[in-house]
Amino acid sequence: DTGVSQDPRHKITKRGQNVTFRCDPISEHNRLYWYRQTLGQGPEFLTYFQNEAQLEKSRLLSDRFSAERPKGSFSTLEIQRTEQGDSAMYLCASSLVSSGDADTQYFGPGTRLTVL
Amino acid sequence: AQSVAQPEDQVNVAEGNPLTVKCTYSVSGNPYLFWYVQYPNRGLQFLLKYITGDNLVKGSYGFEAEFNKSQTSFHLKKPSALVSDSALYFCAVRDGRGYQKVTFGTGTKLQVIP
Repeated sequence: DTGVSQDPRHKITKRGQNVTFRCDPISEHNRLYWYRQTLGQGPEFLTYFQNEAQLEKSRLLSDRFSAERPKGSFSTLEIQRTEQGDSAMYLCASSLVSSGDADTQYFGPGTRLTVL
Repeated sequence: AQSVAQPEDQVNVAEGNPLTVKCTYSVSGNPYLFWYVQYPNRGLQFLLKYITGDNLVKGSYGFEAEFNKSQTSFHLKKPSALVSDSALYFCAVRDGRGYQKVTFGTGTKLQVIP
């Protein structure tokens, strides 16, 4: 069990560019979540997947944001036409729905995005 | 809509003294409550959770939390603080009716003074 991993850890981009982040959940975890955390705030829920199905999406997830989990394992979060307001830490978490620990989400280290 | 309030931005406590970090919540269904800790440049680490059962929940690193339904609170406690407990603590709530969205508070910075 190597934990949740995220790549890259840091991303600096210019306004208007597209960026993509990857999350690898804990092996065999079937739920995967994306959050955004800005300075001085708690994580804000963006979306979650059960296997490959995206089941909940926050209103924070504008049409510039898209998330996928095509094979039910890793997930990608893409932000198109980035804006300075997108600068934040993007956190990924996973959980195993069939276990007695189903409600516990395990978080990755995050990807810090800076939009110049 | 569900929400979490952590009324203290920072809590200072002397090493060896008991600590309390406060949390109140609002949710429509039965509350699923969580505490996470965040160290600098690291992800959130799970401490403990309340789903059902005993109102006093014990978690990692000697932490515990007490669920109080009438006061809609879930305060985090530890009998004797360590300097290494200094970190950012987040309380979170989820609606127990099946929705997976977890709402976090704004966090409380715990500073344990040697």
